[in-house]
Amino acid sequence: DAEITQSPRHKITETGRQVTLACHQTWNHNNMFWYRQDLGHGLRLIHYSYGVQDTNKGEVSDGYSVSRSNTEDLPLTLESAASSQTSVYFCASSESQGTGNTIYFGEGSWLTVV
Amino acid sequence: GESVGLHLPTLSVQEGDNSIINCAYSNSASDYFIWYKQESGKGPQFIIDIRSNMDKRQGQRVTVLLNKTVKHLSLQIAATQPGDSAVYFCAENRGTYKYIFGTGTRLKVLA
Repeated sequence: DAEITQSPRHKITETGRQVTLACHQTWNHNNMFWYRQDLGHGLRLIHYSYGVQDTNKGEVSDGYSVSRSNTEDLPLTLESAASSQTSVYFCASSESQGTGNTIYFGEGSWLTVV
Repeated sequence: GESVGLHLPTLSVQEGDNSIINCAYSNSASDYFIWYKQESGKGPQFIIDIRSNMDKRQGQRVTVLLNKTVKHLSLQIAATQPGDSAVYFCAENRGTYKYIFGTGTRLKVLA
């Protein structure tokens, strides 16, 4: 079955360190997304990509970057981790452009910045 | 402002009863809606979706109702089971990347 795999599932890092969260999807979807989920908030969009070499900022992109070198992977990098970036991160994907595309999620990466 | 919200943060139901989870949205331009189930420690799982040209859609034990007049979405779960205990949230879609997610309702199934 097609799926989205995130790694690591849990990580503790120190303030100021660079962290990369991996996301790999086997849906062969064009669109990939990174969200963060915090108490009291719905999922908030960090970055998204419509395809290889395409990346776009979402509503909470400060301090994060992504790259898309192939269809399957969209790694999320925290350039210099901050305590405010302690959160649960979800990678997601959808098939094509336009509305009406179901968005599928990975199992999440729990990040703690100390 | 733009928002997708839920009326009840926690819903407790007896096993075997039907559950109804509600969601309000504010943008009439949204044309696609999704319900997700999220269990503790896991990612959101797709349950059912509905397009704005429909007012009802049924799946296995679940039904989604869309009332565009009052901008209201509901998820009905028939014969609620212990495995249905989770957080449920709705999402509205307005474009390729524009998904607005609600904060969720926790469903507790009482034995």
